[in-house]
Amino acid sequence: DIQMTQSPSTLSASVGDRVTITCRASQSIRSWLAWYQQKPGKAPKLLIFKASTLETGVPSRFSGSGSGTEFTLTISSLQPDDFATYYCQQYNNLWTFGQGTKVELK
Amino acid sequence: EVQLLESGGGLVQPGGSLRLSCAASGFTFSSYAMSWVRQAPGKGLEWVSAITNVGGFTFDSDSVRGRFTISRDNSKSTLFLQMNSLRADDTAIYFCARGLMSRGVITHFDYWGQGTLLTVSS
Repeated sequence: DIQMTQSPSTLSASVGDRVTITCRASQSIRSWLAWYQQKPGKAPKLLIFKASTLETGVPSRFSGSGSGTEFTLTISSLQPDDFATYYCQQYNNLWTFGQGTKVELK
Repeated sequence: EVQLLESGGGLVQPGGSLRLSCAASGFTFSSYAMSWVRQAPGKGLEWVSAITNVGGFTFDSDSVRGRFTISRDNSKSTLFLQMNSLRADDTAIYFCARGLMSRGVITHFDYWGQGTLLTVSS
């Protein structure tokens, strides 16, 4: 099984900050990685797929990079609507989610 | 507009059974894979089961294999999850999600329902 590890688990930031979340896979998943945003009581929302492709309608302040085993999600300038929990997901071999990174107000 | 509406959750005793449904609308259901993902209270996301668009190839996580069965009725645009031998650690919100297909392989999930809560307790 492929394990996905996100860091940090919690991130405290202010509006306007540049935020980076890391996701590491236990083995190479090539570029088969997605990022989701989830707010309390809501369904996850797809942000990025194939490691760096922005889903239609997602603001351009979100970006993804990486391949193989190390990936990052970057928010270039954190907005009030971005405080949420973020999950990475590999789909190279079945599907596995990271444990999540909660972005909270500093 | 793509809509996924889960139903069928509730309170079940350990060892019991339940069937979840997910009614889809706003897209050609038979053209997409589908999946179930769950989230235990206060915890992260856990993939449960997936099914291809046609042919009905299914995939299950180790934690539910042999107990849960995913199926679909393309004529009714509905996804199902039959859950047997339920345990306390199956307690979670169950989301259905639409899966993209690429060269016969299910990739990521682009739309999600709001979820239905299953509680397994005596």
